[in-house]
Amino acid sequence: GAVVSQHPSWVICKSGTSVKIECRSLDFQATTMFWYRQFPKQSLMLMATSNEGSKATYEQGVEKDKFLINHASLTLSTLTVTSAHPEDSSFYICSALGAPRYEQYFGPGTRLTVT
Amino acid sequence: LAKTTQPISMDSYEGQEVNITCSHNNIATNDYITWYQQFPSQGPRFIIQGYKTKVTNEVASLFIPADRKSSTLSLPRVSLSDTAVYYCLVPENTNAGKSTFGDGTTLTVKP
Repeated sequence: GAVVSQHPSWVICKSGTSVKIECRSLDFQATTMFWYRQFPKQSLMLMATSNEGSKATYEQGVEKDKFLINHASLTLSTLTVTSAHPEDSSFYICSALGAPRYEQYFGPGTRLTVT
Repeated sequence: LAKTTQPISMDSYEGQEVNITCSHNNIATNDYITWYQQFPSQGPRFIIQGYKTKVTNEVASLFIPADRKSSTLSLPRVSLSDTAVYYCLVPENTNAGKSTFGDGTTLTVKP
């Protein structure tokens, strides 16, 4: 199956700093990628849809100025958590959308801990 | 709002067949149904996808009735390593491929 990578796999940062997470589709081009957040013992929550060459579409309740998404190429989307706070600590997962049947290929996730 | 409903949890024993059913009453004509497996601290892993009737691959089978309002993931002869959360996913926007995850089914396989 298709491979999606994320970098870093885990990161610890201090409150108030910004953190960038990369999502790459390694063997296919993805015009659409998704970013999810998952808290312990909970399901994945869709944060935003990242479209190559255009602005991301954010889900209700997700602050677009805090979670900056850039999808500059067909194989790379980045999520930047700006001015991170402890409540942003979570597991962030990206996926790339396959065609034509809309199967999602997920990255391994990034564990963010804000101290 | 998730378009799918699954049992929250299921228990099984090694070597048994496990069937997990998902309801998706409002599935659109062109939508495929996709099942994923997730282990703790990992991203979901694609298991199987289908549109109608039956699909089988090396790890699972997927049964979809004619009305397509539900689907059943069948795992043959489960092992301890199949303990995971299983999600069925149906796009909430057929043209965009966007999907909302439901709560999933936590499968616990006992020795």
